[in-house]
Amino acid sequence: GAGVSQTPSNKVTEKGKYVELRCDPISGHTALYWYRQSLGQGPEFLIYFQGTGAADDSGLPNDRFFAVRPEGSVSTLKIQRTERGDSAVYLCASSLTGQGGDEQFFGPGTRLTVL
Amino acid sequence: ILNVEQSPQSLHVQEGDSTNFTCSFPSSNFYALHWYRWETAKSPEALFVMTLNGDEKKKGRISATLNTKEGYSYLYIKGSQPEDSATYLCAFSNYQLIWGAGTKLIIKP
Repeated sequence: GAGVSQTPSNKVTEKGKYVELRCDPISGHTALYWYRQSLGQGPEFLIYFQGTGAADDSGLPNDRFFAVRPEGSVSTLKIQRTERGDSAVYLCASSLTGQGGDEQFFGPGTRLTVL
Repeated sequence: ILNVEQSPQSLHVQEGDSTNFTCSFPSSNFYALHWYRWETAKSPEALFVMTLNGDEKKKGRISATLNTKEGYSYLYIKGSQPEDSATYLCAFSNYQLIWGAGTKLIIKP
């Protein structure tokens, strides 16, 4: 497909479990972003990849969160020892170059619910 | 800390009426201002990316203006239709987007 895809669309897990969220960006886009949106708030930046490397991971809330993009395309966001406060919609976006004026194209999000 | 503020938080508008809402952002180190429209259960959809002070962009019945010196942008919708119902988000960017909380627009038929 032409757009950004994310899997799964919904994930329900129990507190303490490990989860992986996948993002498939638009082919050829070098920049990839993860955001998280909690109810009633705007999306919150988590991490930005330029190619294979994390150019800015300052938004990751703690060391339970980790993301990889080993081949510069698909990215996986990994959350260890999930907590109820991790429940949110996790959005992935990609852009062509990563410059600030680039349009970011978003996937549909993964809704994570931690019970 | 960079803050992006949007007002109002929600808005009910009669079908056919025009409306507008505001995004305020830091005026220093400005790079770009993005407007997105986000319908429930869909991906955020880009409306405009604005970079120049005084920019005005238009897409159909929706337009936006930008004042980088005072740090605000307005989004206007002319002749609202039910399909305009969505949350409208603005975001200030260097490379990452710093988002406002959005204005939830509900069009009443």
